This record gives sequence, structure tokens and C-alpha cells, in this order.
Amino acid sequence: SQQGEEDPQALSIQEGENATMNCSYKTSINNLQWYRQNSGRGLVHLILIRSNEREKHSGRLRVTLDTSKKSSSLLITASRAADTASYFCATDPDTGANSKLTFGKGITLSVRP
Amino acid sequence: GAVVSQHPSWVICKSGTSVKIECRSLDFQATTMFWYRQFPKQSLMLMATSNEGSKATYEQGVEKDKFLINHASLTLSTLTVTSAHPEDSSFYICSAAAPGQGGWRGYTFGSGTRLTVV
Repeated sequence: SQQGEEDPQALSIQEGENATMNCSYKTSINNLQWYRQNSGRGLVHLILIRSNEREKHSGRLRVTLDTSKKSSSLLITASRAADTASYFCATDPDTGANSKLTFGKGITLSVRP
Repeated sequence: GAVVSQHPSWVICKSGTSVKIECRSLDFQATTMFWYRQFPKQSLMLMATSNEGSKATYEQGVEKDKFLINHASLTLSTLTVTSAHPEDSSFYICSAAAPGQGGWRGYTFGSGTRLTVV
């Protein structure tokens, strides 16, 4: 079953604007991860936030996690045309051993130059 | 950083033939690798978990006799699509992480294999 549900499903913004993407999930998690996928390519890991963390930054990325609402958001600041891609959240239920991720449906981000 | 190499990038085969896809971790050892399938404009669907030295664990609804997985070493897992049919046409992606690292640093994905069965 689909664990993560992102919204919006598609987002189109102008270069330089910020892009905010949301993800909701249903069961308990150990951590939540965000990935980017360029068309026809594999996924690239962007950022991981653990269940005991509320906010994390990496470069132009800011991710938040609200375990009480079972939701996360990914903010990309000062977007660039190169940020055009699909973005997926993925939930990881386990600690320690490499466990199965459950991916959301994904958000298609288009950044207009 | 962790690198996963997946080959081939694309393959076209005739119905009824078999196709092998390789997934290699280049700079780390992976006791566990994952195989996903992705349809156009859709999310990733986990097919199976590949375990080094033991049988793969398949997700419900995935035919283990059709999608053969072999994880013979700590750096190589293969997915063989046997007796391929046009409905098997899809984008197949593998992922891996060093033991215990997936939940700390995330997973590294291969670049994917576009399979077209004609």
C-alpha cells in the first residue's frame, strides 16, 4: 500500500521562487527520506530526517517532520531550472538493518527559466 | 560517495526471451539490495529484497519464477526477467546501502534499466 502521499502532485514555479512539497504517511516511522529523480534516471538521495528530529537543512533544502501529524515538507529555496525533476518522499520503518522503503507517488516540479 | 552501477541502461528483447539486469555496488559492500519497478509517471514499486547468500524475499504479487534474483556476492545482484512479455516492459531500478547505513544516510540507486519487450 502507498505509505507516503505527496502534494501537490505537480508544481510549476518561476526560477528564483521557493518550492514547497508536502508528504503525509500513515504508520510509524524511524526516518523519512526525500529523493529526486530526473526523467528516465535513477533516484538521488537528498536528505534524511529521523523521527526524533523536527527540522533539517542541507544547502538550499529544508525538510521538516511532524510525527504527530504524520507529515513532512521539503522546501527548495531559490529554485533553479536544474531543480526540474520528480521528488519522492519515502518512509523507513526500522532501525539499524537496511529495511524496505515505501515511496509516495511523487511530485513533478517544473522550474521555468 | 557510495556508487551503484546498473547495466544495461536500456534493452530491447523479443517476447519469450530472458533478460538479465546487473546491479553492482562499486565502493561498498551490500548485504541487501532492493529491486523496484516503475511505470511511466508513477512511483516505485518494490519487487523484492535481494539478500547476499540467501534467497530473495519477494513482495506480494511478484512472480518469483518470472523475476529471478541472484545475490551471489556482496557487490553484485542480478535480476533476470524470464520468458519476457510486452507487459513486462518497464523501468527497473536497484538500490543498496552499506550494512546498517540505509537508515542513517539513505540509499544509493542505480541509474535504472529501460526494458522494452517486442
